[in-house]
Amino acid sequence: AQSVTQPDIHITVSEGASLELRCNYSYGATPYLFWYVQSPGQGLQLLLKYFSGDTLVQGIKGFEAEFKRSQSSFNLRKPSVHWSDAAEYFCAVGAFSGGYNKLIFGAGTRLAVHP
Amino acid sequence: EAGVAQSPRYKIIEKRQSVAFWCNPISGHATLYWYQQILGQGPKLLIQFQNNGVVDDSQLPKDRFSAERLKGVDSTLKIQPAKLEDSAVYLCASSLGHREDNTDTQYFGPGTRLTVL
Repeated sequence: AQSVTQPDIHITVSEGASLELRCNYSYGATPYLFWYVQSPGQGLQLLLKYFSGDTLVQGIKGFEAEFKRSQSSFNLRKPSVHWSDAAEYFCAVGAFSGGYNKLIFGAGTRLAVHP
Repeated sequence: EAGVAQSPRYKIIEKRQSVAFWCNPISGHATLYWYQQILGQGPKLLIQFQNNGVVDDSQLPKDRFSAERLKGVDSTLKIQPAKLEDSAVYLCASSLGHREDNTDTQYFGPGTRLTVL
């Protein structure tokens, strides 16, 4: 069965420090992978997505993610975190079932940023 | 381009009462999704529509939850009667919904936060 694991429930970093959020997936076919961000009281905003091609994908707000098939991972990175990046981050895998697409989400990682 | 609209943004009700949520997807999006997001968890799909037909409602508690998408545009999700464990954020999302297109991307609304007392 398809699943997504985000091993870190909470992460705290200092403003200006680098960030890596981990995501591991389980999916039998070629995965389609997404990272969404959810600010307090808001819906989910798409940060970036991987469908095929270059395994390093660039997203909005200075984020990037790298797809590693051998490790079944799709980790999200940012070289320098800003206070406004404090939010919850969700990794998701796109599953194709019955001719329709579905998203399977991880439990999320809550990011806190210290000044 | 306007995003996915949802209302209300917040709702507080007593258990055993009924409640309804409304969603207006992005124009031209054929697929509409309702998710339940319990605090501390990722969103869980409740129901998926393709135009005005249901394609997946396997996770919808049908004894108390119902949803419709008349005319293939707006959608409503209803809970009757509500239980304490229904307290959650209810998210609506939409996508172009081209069948056989694995690159279909979902766009989310701001959600409705429901508190059941």
